[in-house]
Amino acid sequence: GAVVSQHPSRVICKSGTSVKIECRSLDFQATTMFWYRQFPKQSLMLMATSNEGSKATYEQGVEKDKFLINHASLTLSTLTVTSAHPEDSSFYICSARDPQGISRYEQYFGPGTRLTVT
Amino acid sequence: EDKVVQSPLSLVVHEGDTVTLNCSYEVTNFRSLLWYKQEKKAPTFLFMLTSSGIEKKSGRLSSILDKKELFSILNITATQTGDSAVYLCAVGILTGGGNKLTFGTGTQLKVEL
Repeated sequence: GAVVSQHPSRVICKSGTSVKIECRSLDFQATTMFWYRQFPKQSLMLMATSNEGSKATYEQGVEKDKFLINHASLTLSTLTVTSAHPEDSSFYICSARDPQGISRYEQYFGPGTRLTVT
Repeated sequence: EDKVVQSPLSLVVHEGDTVTLNCSYEVTNFRSLLWYKQEKKAPTFLFMLTSSGIEKKSGRLSSILDKKELFSILNITATQTGDSAVYLCAVGILTGGGNKLTFGTGTQLKVEL
């Protein structure tokens, strides 16, 4: 099946610094990728939809200047958390949609990145 | 506001039991309902349902959708400890920004020996 990777799997950073998370589709080209955030014992909250070659679409309440998304190629999207604060500590998961797949709603998820801001 | 609600939030069963997980939704522009299993990390895909009344089956897991009553159930028969996970229900909706998934809060299932 389609494989999505994320890097790093875990990162600890100091308050005020920026952190970049990469999401790659390994065996397919993903024109659309999604970024989610998940707090402990809570569900996945969609942050933004990333489309290759165009600006990301952010969900209501998500600061686009704080969570910078770049989808420069068909296999890579990046999420940069700028000026991170402890409240940004969370589990960030990306997913990708295979345009050759049977459904435009089926998404393949990466393994997630655990961000801890101290 | 689009809403997906799962119940129960958590349950503990013994190996061999049968469990039924529930997912109800209130969304605009419904397109599909998906079930995922999440263990330590990334959710893995189980089923996608688009039509009412048609059961999807994979081994000991099965699921069905009722678009009139706006809910779906996920059944697991003869549960095993390896079924312990969070089961997520997600609804695919069409918005001005494109197609997206809205997730429920999940059901934490623990299967004990």
